[in-house]
Amino acid sequence: DVKVTQSSRYLVKRTGEKVFLECVQDMDHENMFWYRQDPGLGLRLIYFSYDVKMKEKGDIPEGYSVSREKKERFSLILESASTNQTSMYLCASSSLAGYGETQYFGPGTRLLVL
Amino acid sequence: LAKTTQPISMDSYEGQEVNITCSHNNIATNDYITWYQQFPSQGPRFIIQGYKTKVTNEVASLFIPADRKSSTLSLPRVSLSDTAVYYCLVGRGEYGNKLVFGAGTILRVKS
Repeated sequence: DVKVTQSSRYLVKRTGEKVFLECVQDMDHENMFWYRQDPGLGLRLIYFSYDVKMKEKGDIPEGYSVSREKKERFSLILESASTNQTSMYLCASSSLAGYGETQYFGPGTRLLVL
Repeated sequence: LAKTTQPISMDSYEGQEVNITCSHNNIATNDYITWYQQFPSQGPRFIIQGYKTKVTNEVASLFIPADRKSSTLSLPRVSLSDTAVYYCLVGRGEYGNKLVFGAGTILRVKS
């Protein structure tokens, strides 16, 4: 079974702090994704990566950055946390298997910024 | 990217068959249709995927008409544990082509 793990299930940070969210997958997948999920808005893509050291902006990249130094690990960084970044953050991975990719999701990190 | 439209919510009773329809009028030739299920406080989970006609697995069936402008997820004999949010996605998912999640359909199964 594919396993995607995230470093924390719950996190509380203060405004202005730098926040690191880590995601690790164990299936040698090429693609990795970071989403945030807010009530009524579904999942919105922040960033994705299709290879080590490669990244692409998603729909809402402002205020975030990412790092992918190893194939299995994809980090989301909130450079200076703000209260409007309080959300559920979901990481996903998929293989570059041509058409019909399936994304596998981690359990999510619920972040509260005070 | 193909935009999808689903009902916001649906109610059903245990043992019934539930059909959730998704509209995707501007689906591209190479796009696949994928459905995910999400329980509270968990990440979405893949249910089923198809390109045309009908696909069936141990969990659900997916019906796609010839014009592919819509699709219907069919859950046979639902139980309380099928209460979740169901997302319809359309896309190729290949390099550089991201999938887009809509707001999903909240399915509530009652006893």
